[in-house]
Amino acid sequence: DQQVKQNSPSLSVQEGRISILNCDYTNSMFDYFLWYKKYPAEGPTFLISISSIKDKNEDGRFTVFLNKSAKHLSLHIVPSQPGDSAVYFCAASAGTSGTYKYIFGTGTRLKVLA
Amino acid sequence: NAGVMQNPRHLVRRRGQEARLRCSPMKGHSHVYWYRQLPEEGLKFMVYLQKENIIDESGMPKERFSAEFPKEGPSILRIQQVVRGDSAAYFCASSPPGSSTDTQYFGPGTRLTVL
Repeated sequence: DQQVKQNSPSLSVQEGRISILNCDYTNSMFDYFLWYKKYPAEGPTFLISISSIKDKNEDGRFTVFLNKSAKHLSLHIVPSQPGDSAVYFCAASAGTSGTYKYIFGTGTRLKVLA
Repeated sequence: NAGVMQNPRHLVRRRGQEARLRCSPMKGHSHVYWYRQLPEEGLKFMVYLQKENIIDESGMPKERFSAEFPKEGPSILRIQQVVRGDSAAYFCASSPPGSSTDTQYFGPGTRLTVL
């Protein structure tokens, strides 16, 4: 039962353009969402998060959008840089079952082409 | 300020042996979490510990797996009598004291291979 889904296993984007990574979830109790970036042989690195009381959060080149009615969130990276090439994981948690218990998607491999 | 440290980075065990994975949280952090990532899957929560206490082990397999976070020293994830299906990357994360809602910071992981 995959509660957090990243349906695109991979994405290629030209340097300087926008990268849009998508994530869908099924559990309406989720109220906190995060994006992590992971390079090979390293642990996930926190990028950005959003609480369910917001619909947008921005940090530099990274913006996360949350659409609660559609149970969908997306990560926008603009402009994309070659160093952004990595696997991106979406994660969610629910305060009712433990905000610390992150449920991860299977990841999207982003490749930024120079 | 060192991040979350895990060792060993790679561990090879034969079926039936024991595996011990260590995690030292970031300085000042007192919450530790363990996750497992099987091939082609996302990370899955296993256990949440504070010093000398297991807070939530709902993601731990019922047998052969145990975790501890002693007063002194690193957190240990122990897998007894390993089987091939235990082969995975095991990640530890930590967060500051005071709230389990703070963002978790992950270590580099231990890749366990069971022959």
